[in-house]
Amino acid sequence: EDQVTQSPEALRLQEGESSSLNCSYTVSGLRGLFWYRQDPGKGPEFLFTLYSAGEEKEKERLKATLTKKESFLHITAPKPEDSATYLCAVIGTASKLTFGTGTRLQVTL
Amino acid sequence: NAGVTQTPKFQVLKTGQSMTLQCAQDMNHEYMSWYRQDPGMGLRLIHYSVGAGITDQGEVPNGYNVSRSTTEDFPLRLLSAAPSQTSVYFCASSRIRADTQYFGPGTRLTVL
Repeated sequence: EDQVTQSPEALRLQEGESSSLNCSYTVSGLRGLFWYRQDPGKGPEFLFTLYSAGEEKEKERLKATLTKKESFLHITAPKPEDSATYLCAVIGTASKLTFGTGTRLQVTL
Repeated sequence: NAGVTQTPKFQVLKTGQSMTLQCAQDMNHEYMSWYRQDPGMGLRLIHYSVGAGITDQGEVPNGYNVSRSTTEDFPLRLLSAAPSQTSVYFCASSRIRADTQYFGPGTRLTVL
């Protein structure tokens, strides 16, 4: 059975304090790993898709990386508007999207 | 493009009542799905469809029904609401099942 574990559950950063969120996964035949951002009361908003180990993608202050066992979402010099819950999900050969429970990020001034 | 739209945004039901949550997408996506999100449990798949006329069960299908008569619409029916169905419901769509899924804004349902 596919599994996704995200850590930490919650993270509080000061503005400008860089950090990383972790997504560990087990999946049969990875076909894609996805990062989403979810604001309170909203639906998940797509950020990145990674397909193979060694792949990296960037968008503004966010950078996602992928290894054979985990993915990291690096946040460089975060701002308060980066506060949200970040969700990780994987799809394997069964074509079933499995989500982690998310990391709740709060960035303070 | 509006993307994925859902109605209503909020709904309160009494135990035993039935209702339909609406979902529509304008991206010509073949794959559509329904998830529920509960605290500490992540998003769980209720039902999905790989194209018009084709639906299948996800991991938590009991108490829910779906149909897909058009590419654009994928309504979710609660047959006889129970308090355990209190949750936030999200509809999502993608080009094909293994592709990036795009989510709607959600429906917050409370069953009393």
